[in-house]
Amino acid sequence: QKEVEQDPGPLSVPEGAIVSLNCTYSNSAFQYFMWYRQYSRKGPELLMYTYSSGNKEDGRFTAQVDKSSKYISLFIRDSQPSDSATYLCAMRTAGNMLTFGGGTRLMVKP
Amino acid sequence: EAGVAQSPRYKIIEKRQSVAFWCNPISGHATLYWYQQILGQGPKLLIQFQNNGVVDDSQLPKDRFSAERLKGVDSTLKIQPAKLEDSAVYLCASSLVGAGAQNNEQFFGPGTRLTVL
Repeated sequence: QKEVEQDPGPLSVPEGAIVSLNCTYSNSAFQYFMWYRQYSRKGPELLMYTYSSGNKEDGRFTAQVDKSSKYISLFIRDSQPSDSATYLCAMRTAGNMLTFGGGTRLMVKP
Repeated sequence: EAGVAQSPRYKIIEKRQSVAFWCNPISGHATLYWYQQILGQGPKLLIQFQNNGVVDDSQLPKDRFSAERLKGVDSTLKIQPAKLEDSAVYLCASSLVGAGAQNNEQFFGPGTRLTVL
């Protein structure tokens, strides 16, 4: 069993839809949770960064962490074709390396 | 601010050949990471440097992979000899502070896409 599980998709939605992306994990020592966006043939770029449980909002993006369920989510409101990319969740313990999920490919159709 | 630079962007080699990748991190970033991203998977850390010292290389296949970061700036990752399963994108990332700090955003380069035939 992988430490971080993520549905690979692809997830196809119409423009303007609300998108929900999720990851589950098994290591209860993870404290820092991140979402990266990766366009084709590009490196990942950090979208959201949260510490411990709770919600964090940044524009059209909301990240949720539920440590009791070992479940994190990223919501994208009013999705745009430019949001089409692969979304990677990542997490780490206090002093350790990043562990990534496998990524979910998102396609937003005009 | 210039980002993380990597070269070459693409490389095609035959199995058992050797190959080297180069990375130039963001100026002033103390920590440098090399990741391997196989198609359809998330990046997997191979090695982490803090300045010119190795912090973590537990997932580096040391029988064929080597990396160095002389002078604590640029870094090279080498594979010798390459295997078919080494086909992947090799990503370099850097961060201002070490992995243990609360805020240690990692900035990624565009990667080098390696194909081993």
